[in-house]
Amino acid sequence: SAVISQKPSRDICQRGTSLTIQCQVDSQVTMMFWYRQQPGQSLTLIATANQGSEATYESGFVIDKFPISRPNLTFSTLTVSNMSPEDSSIYLCSVTRSAETQYFGPGTRLLVL
Amino acid sequence: DQQVKQNSPSLSVQEGRISILNCDYTNSMFDYFLWYKKYPAEGPTFLISISSIKDKNEDGRFTVFLNKSAKHLSLHIVPSQPGDSAVYFCAASARTGNQFYFGTGTSLTVIP
Repeated sequence: SAVISQKPSRDICQRGTSLTIQCQVDSQVTMMFWYRQQPGQSLTLIATANQGSEATYESGFVIDKFPISRPNLTFSTLTVSNMSPEDSSIYLCSVTRSAETQYFGPGTRLLVL
Repeated sequence: DQQVKQNSPSLSVQEGRISILNCDYTNSMFDYFLWYKKYPAEGPTFLISISSIKDKNEDGRFTVFLNKSAKHLSLHIVPSQPGDSAVYFCAASARTGNQFYFGTGTSLTVIP
């Protein structure tokens, strides 16, 4: 398994501001992912955080809105930029150790006013 | 387009009875399936998985059944316990890729 922590656990932000969410894993992992879970929705993959190169974004998500850093094999950040109320969601970091299982962090609950 | 669907947003079951959670998928390339359990204010926790070469996988009180021809899987919990009350997500992937596709979740309530 993997122990994953996220900061902050929750935040309330004003429209137009940005928030950076941190994800720390207890050991080195190859693959790190960022998901969003909007109210009543499934977990939606935002991007794959690649170490040493740009993140790979899924359809509907762009780097300008969700810049991602992956400076090493245990840490990543996701920034939600120029926030609007539609960005209110739970943001989850996850990692894989094999192709068979993903492990999730506790999530960051974001409310944009 | 939702490739993994959980059509029941909620389910209530009496303690000691069987809970059956259902999941359907559309992509025939999916060959690996997982169930996650999520408590409020926590991230999803891996529960049980099944490969497409099997039609059943059992782990204690939890059994997952896979019907490939129907593109359907189900999670059986027996006997159900109040601590099982949580949101359950099914997920699917094609082993050739890294992406997991999640359903919208089913909120299970086990009534004491």
